[in-house]
Amino acid sequence: EAGVAQSPRYKIIEKRQSVAFWCNPISGHATLYWYQQILGQGPKLLIQFQNNGVVDDSQLPKDRFSAERLKGVDSTLKIQPAKLEDSAVYLCASSLNAGAYYEQYFGPGTRLTVT
Amino acid sequence: SQQGEEDPQALSIQEGENATMNCSYKTSINNLQWYRQNSGRGLVHLILIRSNEREKHSGRLRVTLDTSKKSSSLLITASRAADTASYFCATDAGTGNQFYFGTGTSLTVIP
Repeated sequence: EAGVAQSPRYKIIEKRQSVAFWCNPISGHATLYWYQQILGQGPKLLIQFQNNGVVDDSQLPKDRFSAERLKGVDSTLKIQPAKLEDSAVYLCASSLNAGAYYEQYFGPGTRLTVT
Repeated sequence: SQQGEEDPQALSIQEGENATMNCSYKTSINNLQWYRQNSGRGLVHLILIRSNEREKHSGRLRVTLDTSKKSSSLLITASRAADTASYFCATDAGTGNQFYFGTGTSLTVIP
């Protein structure tokens, strides 16, 4: 079974530039999550999709972050414009369905450095 | 914060010893999960325990849950160098939907 795919794996940009991350979840998984993990901390949920609808985006900085999941499969997360404090690893995860008893499968992450 | 907090922040043991790490949380939960993160395999689910369960086992892993104390512990027996990783607890804060991760325990197993 193929895992969660993410690209790019690494990205270095200057502050005020834009950047986009892509995620392809495990086939058949209805729920998709984007997390931000700052060095030395645990992952922080940014947004959760159920199929192509947003379940929770309460911790997404909507003035600069946006995300979409077209057709309920792939997803993109965009930052525009980036700030220094956005330097982090961005993790995508998927699960069979929504609900905290479902195991989340994580991708390898995209390490973003904002200079 | 709805996050759990792991204790200790860092732990170093010899191979073959047991490792115990704890997680405390603030709000009532329905489920609690433990995850492992290392550079080789990324973030991987280890075990889930529900609020009506007190103990679960999976191989060399033993998880306990005390809802009255709002705490959980993860025991790794007969540790191996490959167990070197960061371990996170994740709770649903009673939402039953999303998970909130703790700050993690960094475990180093010395061969």
